[in-house]
Amino acid sequence: DAGVIQSPRHEVTEMGQEVTLRCKPISGHNSLFWYRQTMMRGLELLIYFNNNVPIDDSGMPEDRFSAKMPNASFSTLKIQPSEPRDSAVYFCASSSLSGTTSTDTQYFGPGTRLTVL
Amino acid sequence: LAKTTQPISMDSYEGQEVNITCSHNNIATNDYITWYQQFPSQGPRFIIQGYKTKVTNEVASLFIPADRKSSTLSLPRVSLSDTAVYYCLVGGTGGGNKLTFGTGTQLKVEL
Repeated sequence: DAGVIQSPRHEVTEMGQEVTLRCKPISGHNSLFWYRQTMMRGLELLIYFNNNVPIDDSGMPEDRFSAKMPNASFSTLKIQPSEPRDSAVYFCASSSLSGTTSTDTQYFGPGTRLTVL
Repeated sequence: LAKTTQPISMDSYEGQEVNITCSHNNIATNDYITWYQQFPSQGPRFIIQGYKTKVTNEVASLFIPADRKSSTLSLPRVSLSDTAVYYCLVGGTGGGNKLTFGTGTQLKVEL
């Protein structure tokens, strides 16, 4: 299995521009998570989906951030307009929520390093 | 969600056993305890998960006392390549598989 695939790996943009981050989860997984990691705030959960449906977006910092999952094999995180404080590494993770009482393992992608100038 | 507390950093030497303890005093009945490892410029990687007593896999052991208010990740005979940040998390399907990462423990292994 190729694992979770994220693109681009690095993105440099200017303040005010739209940024779109992409994620392909592991085939067969039905849960997808978007995280943001910075030195100051650590690893934060932004939003997660179960069966392509957003379940909890309470971690999305503000309306400039939006996420979609049009099908089981693709998700996007969009920032518009971007600001310098959005600079961070954005991780996508997927898991197979089996419905048992266990917390299923999340498999993380390599991340997208975003720099907003 | 249960809050976790773990040491910010630890130092060790190659070949030593490392034990990282995590406190989670308000762990819920259906919460599992999970540990992840993160290397620089990589996403976190699952190490081990448990609910109670002891769990062992090819990488580590996880010790959980009866009250489940803490847990200890044990790494046998660490090597330089074990230098990483280790996160302790608690959570369950009650939160929709939502996990909250704390600050983690930076483990540094030296020769």
